[in-house]
Amino acid sequence: QMQLQESGPGVVKTSQTLSLTCTVSGDSMASDDYYWAWIRQPAGKGLEWIGRIYSSGSINYNPSLKGRAAISMDTSKNQLSLRLDSVTAADTAVYFCARDGLGELRVAYEIWGQGTMVTVSS
Amino acid sequence: DIQMTQSPSSLSASVGDRVTISCRASQTIYTYLAWYQQKPGKAPNLLIYAISNLRGGVPSRFSGSGSGADFTLTISNVQPEDFATYYCQQSLHTPWTFGQGTKVEFK
Repeated sequence: QMQLQESGPGVVKTSQTLSLTCTVSGDSMASDDYYWAWIRQPAGKGLEWIGRIYSSGSINYNPSLKGRAAISMDTSKNQLSLRLDSVTAADTAVYFCARDGLGELRVAYEIWGQGTMVTVSS
Repeated sequence: DIQMTQSPSSLSASVGDRVTISCRASQTIYTYLAWYQQKPGKAPNLLIYAISNLRGGVPSRFSGSGSGADFTLTISNVQPEDFATYYCQQSLHTPWTFGQGTKVEFK
């Protein structure tokens, strides 16, 4: 059973770069053609899709982030990464990594990490 | 972006009640609609995909329906473990977007 686990610094200073890693265990990221995504949730608020990367390397981002996000994957390490530049207090949130399913389940996120809290502070 | 609007934002229910949550998309999204359940401090958990397909292991008291741009999540015979926040999500176009959530509280 595949599991995802996010990790990161916890606190990032305003205007600096947030870097998060999602480590996949239980199976290889390359075992099939999945989409891997980052999603965030400010405290007490809803879910915001940040972007996704396909096994082929194709990437989509949320335009609301104005080019500040970069998603990558390293199948040799079984890791997904997120970099978010020029952070502000508005980027304070719980960040989740997630994986879609196959076939009909391609339309939803079947597996999620537990999430990691990131606070942006001056 | 496709906007997803849920109603109500919150509701109160008793164990055994039937609960319905609505989700409206800003355009037709065909079958690209999923529902998630989220409990405090936890990640969302997929319940239903493609409007009405129950994910394996999800109790049959959960059901989804709808078409076009209007969708409904129904929980029949609400159980104590069902008190949570529910989100709809569209996956027709990126950016994938979520409804603002509906919190189901104990009456």
